[in-house]
Amino acid sequence: AQSVTQLGSHVSVSEGALVLLRCNYSSSVPPYLFWYVQYPNQGLQLLLKYTSAATLVKGINGFEAEFKKSETSFHLTKPSAHMSDAAEYFCAVDRYANTGNQFYFGTGTSLTVIP
Amino acid sequence: DGGITQSPKYLFRKEGQNVTLSCEQNLNHDAMYWYRQDPGQGLRLIYYSQIVNDFQKGDIAEGYSVSREKKESFPLTVTSAQKNPTAFYLCASAGRYTGRLETQYFGPGTRLLVL
Repeated sequence: AQSVTQLGSHVSVSEGALVLLRCNYSSSVPPYLFWYVQYPNQGLQLLLKYTSAATLVKGINGFEAEFKKSETSFHLTKPSAHMSDAAEYFCAVDRYANTGNQFYFGTGTSLTVIP
Repeated sequence: DGGITQSPKYLFRKEGQNVTLSCEQNLNHDAMYWYRQDPGQGLRLIYYSQIVNDFQKGDIAEGYSVSREKKESFPLTVTSAQKNPTAFYLCASAGRYTGRLETQYFGPGTRLLVL
């Protein structure tokens, strides 16, 4: 069954520093992978997605992620953190059940940006 | 504007009471989903519906019920059998139920609190 693991439930970076949020996946089929962002008391917003085209995917707000099959990873990066990047980030993989399609979400990483 | 609306934003439940959370979408999406979010546990799937008049249990369906009488609407009832209902509830939708999922769109959420 498909799943994702997010390493590090809390990450702190200084403003202007590199952001790196880690996600490893497990999948018996070529996965579709997603990163979502959630601000306090709000729904989730799609940052970017990998659906088997280019392995380096660019998203909104300057984020990007690289699909690495050999490492079963899909880490999220941003070269320079901004205060507005402070939020919860979720990695997800699509999962097919015999009753239909679903997403499986990781447990999330809370990003703090230090001024 | 197209999107997903959830109401109410906050909901209070008394002991032994059933409460219903509303989710409406005008994106003409076939599939709809309900998730429960607890701190440190990410999103867990409660129920999902791939098409009108059909729905499937997710990973934590006990104590919850749903209906899908219209394409636009997917209400969630938290029954008195759900002993720990305090959580943030998120509704999502996706365009189609055949083929692989390429994106889920999320509503703003409902926070349920127990009195």
